[in-house]
Amino acid sequence: DTGVSQNPRHKITKRGQNVTFRCDPISEHNRLYWYRQTLGQGPEFLTYFQNEAQLEKSRLLSDRFSAERPKGSFSTLEIQRTEQGDSAMYLCASSLSEANYGYTFGSGTRLTVV
Amino acid sequence: GQNIDQPTEMTATEGAIVQINCTYQTSGFNGLFWYQQHAGEAPTFLSYNVLDGLEEKGRFSSFLSRSKGYSYLLLKELQMKDSASYLCAVRDRNYGQNFVFGPGTRLSVLP
Repeated sequence: DTGVSQNPRHKITKRGQNVTFRCDPISEHNRLYWYRQTLGQGPEFLTYFQNEAQLEKSRLLSDRFSAERPKGSFSTLEIQRTEQGDSAMYLCASSLSEANYGYTFGSGTRLTVV
Repeated sequence: GQNIDQPTEMTATEGAIVQINCTYQTSGFNGLFWYQQHAGEAPTFLSYNVLDGLEEKGRFSSFLSRSKGYSYLLLKELQMKDSASYLCAVRDRNYGQNFVFGPGTRLSVLP
């Protein structure tokens, strides 16, 4: 297993369009997290899954955002009706429950809304 | 809520020692983590403290004082490749055991 994989690496979209990102976690990890990071800031928590269950959602996750992890493996993050303020790096991470060694992050999807 | 503070930027010289401080306020502290992030890349795990004291891993050490809400990351024998952002993150049991990240400290190592 080569780590956490995210696709695409870069996405440019016009305001108002919908976009979907994919994350493939490390296969034995049961937890999967989505974070958003803007330039010069630390990552901000969006949501996380334990297996296929979405256990927590940040208030940052407006109703335009939805995340799924249908079979407890890969996850998708969809943003509907994108706005310029959605431009950011979207990071996915995975871990075992109660990981004392932190998360393993993917390389992220950089979204630019024009 | 949670509040995590770090200096925005630091500069140090190759071969020197640098200490990056982090202060935090959280109600359900359950561990403090340090990550390194090179520009345009994913954060990578460096260290973890849950009890007070110093944890040493090669050139990197991390210290925690829970009573003071304070941690530092110590980097010794600095190398040019250590130029990166260093993120302090707190795990909070009242926040779904998820990490809350600080803004990061951008370290520049000069020759």
